[in-house]
Amino acid sequence: SYELTQPPSVSVSPGQTARITCSGDALPRQYAYWYKQKPGQAPVLVMYKDTERPSGIPERLSGSSSGTTVTLIISGVQAEDEADYYCQSADSSGAQWVFGGGTKLTV
Amino acid sequence: QVQLVQSGSELKNPGASVKVSCKASGYTFTSYRMNWVRQAPGQGLEWMGWISTNTGNATYAQGFTGRFVFSLDTSVTTVYLQINSLKDEDTAVYYCARLLSTSSTESWSDPWGQGTLVTVSS
Repeated sequence: SYELTQPPSVSVSPGQTARITCSGDALPRQYAYWYKQKPGQAPVLVMYKDTERPSGIPERLSGSSSGTTVTLIISGVQAEDEADYYCQSADSSGAQWVFGGGTKLTV
Repeated sequence: QVQLVQSGSELKNPGASVKVSCKASGYTFTSYRMNWVRQAPGQGLEWMGWISTNTGNATYAQGFTGRFVFSLDTSVTTVYLQINSLKDEDTAVYYCARLLSTSSTESWSDPWGQGTLVTVSS
């Protein structure tokens, strides 16, 4: 079955830039989406179609894509950014969704 | 505003059944499919499948066929997740999430319900 691979953890100091990667063989053909989840809360969409930011999401969050890897970039990291981040995509047919294993961002 | 409100926590014995509800408001219910996602304690997100709120047709992910049933009642803009023959490993938080798409291969979820904790224990 199709898999997306994320690093288990990323740690940055306040004000630095965090980069969270997500790798998958179908990513050159399928968009990736990113969700932020704080403890005890439901996930929240923070990026869609690799680089599109939903309304209400700070401009310091951005996305990039290169080959089989997509990256969520958080510039000027703040304490409120500490959370688990999950990438999501689909297999080549688009019929089967998949989530990455999640990355815990520690600030 | 768009809102998904799920039913409360459940404690069930192994072998029993549970039905989780997800009531949608703030948008045209039948215009968007609904996803179901599972999160076991301390684990990541796992896609279970989706249901078309227009036709009632359901698509189940691998590992969620047989005991898991998605249904809906358009008259009350609510989708349901029923899990039969509960096992200890079904203990998890279950989320519903509206599915947005711009094509058959581009889809994502926003917003999500608050989650329903199902605990299976004797």
